[in-house]
Amino acid sequence: DGGITQSPKYLFRKEGQNVTLSCEQNLNHDAMYWYRQDPGQGLRLIYYSQIVNDFQKGDIAEGYSVSREKKESFPLTVTSAQKNPTAFYLCASSIGAPRAAFFGQGTRLTVV
Amino acid sequence: AQSVAQPEDQVNVAEGNPLTVKCTYSVSGNPYLFWYVQYPNRGLQFLLKYITGDNLVKGSYGFEAEFNKSQTSFHLKKPSALVSDSALYFCAVRDGQAAGNKLTFGGGTRVLVKP
Repeated sequence: DGGITQSPKYLFRKEGQNVTLSCEQNLNHDAMYWYRQDPGQGLRLIYYSQIVNDFQKGDIAEGYSVSREKKESFPLTVTSAQKNPTAFYLCASSIGAPRAAFFGQGTRLTVV
Repeated sequence: AQSVAQPEDQVNVAEGNPLTVKCTYSVSGNPYLFWYVQYPNRGLQFLLKYITGDNLVKGSYGFEAEFNKSQTSFHLKKPSALVSDSALYFCAVRDGQAAGNKLTFGGGTRVLVKP
């Protein structure tokens, strides 16, 4: 089955620790995205990548880092510099404009 | 810069009545517009999109949306709402003439359909 897989579904982190969220797609999509969703709020773009080995900062990139070494994978690292990391993180991919983006099921990160 | 506004945090409608969720956008070039739906603790599901052509776009689950260039709007509609339509709805825009693939979302509108 083609799709986007995010893992883990739930993640707990201690303050001061870095943590990496996984996002893998087998749709052969060029573009991939990371969004953050807070309760009662919309999606805010963290980073996006149009091709392998290239990525751009979104609207709230501070405290996050990404890599795009393979077309299928776009992992997101939440660093200790991110002051309020508890949120629902969504990964998406698309062939590119004007095609729609397809989303994974999300990872809920909680800092304890 | 591109942006999307969904002016209503929540829309309440009785089952069987028409449903409208509002969206306005701002882009420099031609807009590519999308509607998504989200159920609790899940990712977003694509409903429909406008790229070019007919201003009335039909999508999944009986939803449709009307593109209005002069009002920079892309409102989502359903003639007869179902209780199962209760969810969080997001409008999104991409600039069709921009070099990148940046996709910007609105703040979301919660729809509650009452039996």
